[in-house]
Amino acid sequence: KNQVEQSPQSLIILEGKNCTLQCNYTVSPFSNLRWYKQDTGRGPVSLTIMTFSENTKSNGRYTATLDADTKQSSLHITASQLSDSASYICVVREYSSASKIIFGSGTRLSIRP
Amino acid sequence: NAGVTQTPKFRVLKTGQSMTLLCAQDMNHEYMYWYRQDPGMGLRLIHYSVGEGTTAKGEVPDGYNVSRLKKQNFLLGLESAAPSQTSVYFCASRGKTMGLGEYEQFFGPGTRLTVL
Repeated sequence: KNQVEQSPQSLIILEGKNCTLQCNYTVSPFSNLRWYKQDTGRGPVSLTIMTFSENTKSNGRYTATLDADTKQSSLHITASQLSDSASYICVVREYSSASKIIFGSGTRLSIRP
Repeated sequence: NAGVTQTPKFRVLKTGQSMTLLCAQDMNHEYMYWYRQDPGMGLRLIHYSVGEGTTAKGEVPDGYNVSRLKKQNFLLGLESAAPSQTSVYFCASRGKTMGLGEYEQFFGPGTRLTVL
């Protein structure tokens, strides 16, 4: 069964610190992996997308990595800000005509001043 | 551009009542989706549409119906609400792509539904 597992479920860090969120998937065949940020009470917004040939992708203070061999991805946040408090969702797309998308349950990140 | 909008933002129903959630997009997207989001779970696809006048079942379609009479609107209906349908509902849309090319789903702000 295709699955996307994220860890940790929740994380609290101090403002200015770095953190790394993990995503492991079993989706096969693999097409791409996307990280979304979801602010409280809002819909998810895409941060990065990576295909199997890409190892890393940056978007400002957000850097995503992908290891297609081990089926793992991480999202690293540098110099965290209060506005980074949100849920971060890993989403993997199948490589098929159905293009099924599987959502992880997310990591809830809280930044404390 | 408003993007994807959803109405209402909040709703409380009693068991057995019916309601319709409205999703509207102004990006001329072909594809539209309805998801539900529950604590500790990833978004789950309820129904989707690949174009005006077409709909298809997703992962958890039971208890829901949809209609896509106009390209810009996608309606989600609950004919007889149950407490298990208490959730946050998200609508999303995306443009049409050729082959297996990449695309991005744009999400609405969500509708929080409570069924008592």
